[in-house]
Amino acid sequence: KQEVTQIPAALSVPEGENLVLNCSFTDSAIYNLQWFRQDPGKGLTSLLLIQSSQREQTSGRLNASLDKSSGRSTLYIAASQPGDSATYLCAVRPGANAGKSTFGDGTTLTVKP
Amino acid sequence: KAGVTQTPRYLIKTRGQQVTLSCSPISGHRSVSWYQQTPGQGLQFLFEYFSETQRNKGNFPGRFSGRQFSNSRSEMNVSTLELGDSALYLCASSPGTGTYEQYFGPGTRLTVT
Repeated sequence: KQEVTQIPAALSVPEGENLVLNCSFTDSAIYNLQWFRQDPGKGLTSLLLIQSSQREQTSGRLNASLDKSSGRSTLYIAASQPGDSATYLCAVRPGANAGKSTFGDGTTLTVKP
Repeated sequence: KAGVTQTPRYLIKTRGQQVTLSCSPISGHRSVSWYQQTPGQGLQFLFEYFSETQRNKGNFPGRFSGRQFSNSRSEMNVSTLELGDSALYLCASSPGTGTYEQYFGPGTRLTVT
């Protein structure tokens, strides 16, 4: 059974700092890994998707990496801003037709002005 | 492109009643997945529909059911509501092929009293 862990559960940083969020998974046989952000009481917003054959993806100030062999992914946020404050979740999809994505519990990020 | 829409956004029901939630995916997407999110259990997969067929199912009791229509819109039904069913119900739209990137709606907040 796939298990996804995100550490730390919460993180508070001053504005402008670069930071890394971690996502670990137990079964390396994945199809893709997707990072989301969720604002309180809202739905999830897709940030980056990494296919199992890829090593990293970039979008603006965000960079996500994937190391399947070690069961790890990281989300790097450059020059953090107060608007980045949210909960960040990673989700692992086991196969192309296996719709059951497994989510981590998320890291709640607070960026202080 | 219009995003994923979910209706209603908020719902208050009494124990024992039943409820139907609706999800309209992004135009052209054929896959709809449903998730339950609670503070204690995080995001848990309910089921996925692809081209009107249930393709995957999570570990929820039979009180939770769903269906998908020919226009890809999906409904989720919960019968005999229990207090523990109070949660944010999220649906995710995906092409169902290719990258399988998921796009989430804003959710339906269900409160059972």
